[in-house]
Amino acid sequence: QQQVKQSPQSLIVQKGGISIINCAYENTAFDYFPWYQQFPGKGPALLIAIRPDVSEKKEGRFTISFNKSAKQFSLHIMDSQPGDSATYFCAAKSAGNQFYFGTGTSLTVIP
Amino acid sequence: KAGVTQTPRYLIKTRGQQVTLSCSPISGHRSVSWYQQTPGQGLQFLFEYFSETQRNKGNFPGRFSGRQFSNSRSEMNVSTLELGDSALYLCASSLARGGSAGQETQYFGPGTRLLVL
Repeated sequence: QQQVKQSPQSLIVQKGGISIINCAYENTAFDYFPWYQQFPGKGPALLIAIRPDVSEKKEGRFTISFNKSAKQFSLHIMDSQPGDSATYFCAAKSAGNQFYFGTGTSLTVIP
Repeated sequence: KAGVTQTPRYLIKTRGQQVTLSCSPISGHRSVSWYQQTPGQGLQFLFEYFSETQRNKGNFPGRFSGRQFSNSRSEMNVSTLELGDSALYLCASSLARGGSAGQETQYFGPGTRLLVL
């Protein structure tokens, strides 16, 4: 049973466009929601994270929007660049410190 | 500060063999988690160790086991390898002390790519 559902599976965006990746969860006890970026041959790297008491968090071109009532959160990449081409994972953490990951979104930014 | 290191980086085994993977966390981190990553399945949680004790366990068969040493280094072992065990095995470390705010961020190593023939 997938605790965190992520969509789309793949995404192609023009350079300068906005990339949007969505995640949904069921467990209302999750207390921390990170996004990871993974390049081929590398481990995932933390990109940005949010707690459920905040509706939005922005760091540079990356923004997380969090909707607690809908149990959904999304990653927005503004002014997408070819260097952003990677696989993105959303995740959710339980109070017991266990992380549940989405299945990933492969983002390709076309120059 | 050095990041999370994993050895070996690549491994080829045959069915029925066993394998041991090693993870050295970031200095000061006491929590180590292991994940299996396969195409289409994303990251599947294997187990988490904190202060040498297994604190969480995912839904994997008993062939998958792990341990953590007093210096926080961790090993995972897979016995009686199957073709389906071919995957990238990732280790992540964090300060996490029961989910305290600001300490839960996980830092991943580069992974060990295991191929079972």
